[in-house]
Amino acid sequence: EAGVVQSPRYKIIEKKQPVAFWCNPISGHNTLYWYLQNLGQGPELLIRYENEEAVDDSQLPKDRFSAERLKGVDSTLKIQPAELGDSAVYLCASSLVSVGPDTQYFGPGTRLTVL
Amino acid sequence: GDSVTQMEGPVTLSEEAFLTINCTYTATGYPSLFWYVQYPGEGLQLLLKATKADDKGSNKGFEATYRKETTSFHLEKGSVQVSDSAVYFCALRVTQGGSEKLVFGKGTKLTVNP
Repeated sequence: EAGVVQSPRYKIIEKKQPVAFWCNPISGHNTLYWYLQNLGQGPELLIRYENEEAVDDSQLPKDRFSAERLKGVDSTLKIQPAELGDSAVYLCASSLVSVGPDTQYFGPGTRLTVL
Repeated sequence: GDSVTQMEGPVTLSEEAFLTINCTYTATGYPSLFWYVQYPGEGLQLLLKATKADDKGSNKGFEATYRKETTSFHLEKGSVQVSDSAVYFCALRVTQGGSEKLVFGKGTKLTVNP
C-alpha cells in the first residue's frame, strides 16, 4: 500500500514569491493534516480536514496561507507571498477518521527554503 | 497549556549501548502519550503509545511507561543498533475546542556508531 505522497520534496524560492505544496493521502483516509516543522522543533498543526471540510484551521496564518482539499482526497497548501521565516519543512499526514489522531501516517515532507 | 519537554540531543551511542530519552509532559486531564521516530529522509512513524497511567508501550525493542506521578514517558532500549539512528519525538494527544490534535516535543537526534 502506498504511503502519504508529497511533492515537491524540496523547493527554493525568493521572498514574496508564491509557493504551493501538494499531498496525496493514503487511499481511504478521510482525515488529512498539514503540519509545519521548523528546524530543531517538533511538528505543529496548521490545519486538519475531515473529508473536504477544514475542521481545525485555528493555527493557519490566514493572511498568507491557504489550503484546499477538493473532492476530499488530495490537498494543496499555498503560501502567498512567502517570507524568509516560512523556511521550514511542511508535513502532510492522514488517518482514518474513526481511529483518531494517534494513527496518523506522515509523508516525507516538503523542505521549503525562502531566500 | 499542554506541552511536551524532551531531552535535548544530539545523543551519540555505541552499538549495543543502553538508551534512555527522557520525556515529561504538562497537560490537563489524562492525555494519551506517544513516541514517533523519523528516519533520515522519511516521514514520522508511530513507534509506540500508551493511553493510560501505568501502561507500557513497546515496539522493536523500545519501551516507555506512562508515569502519571512523575508526568513522564521516557523511551528506553536495552541494546541499540546502527539502524536505530533517527530523530525521536515524544507527543501527547489533547482535546482543544472540541478537536483532537497531537502536541510534539522538539525531538532528540540519536546517532548509533558501529
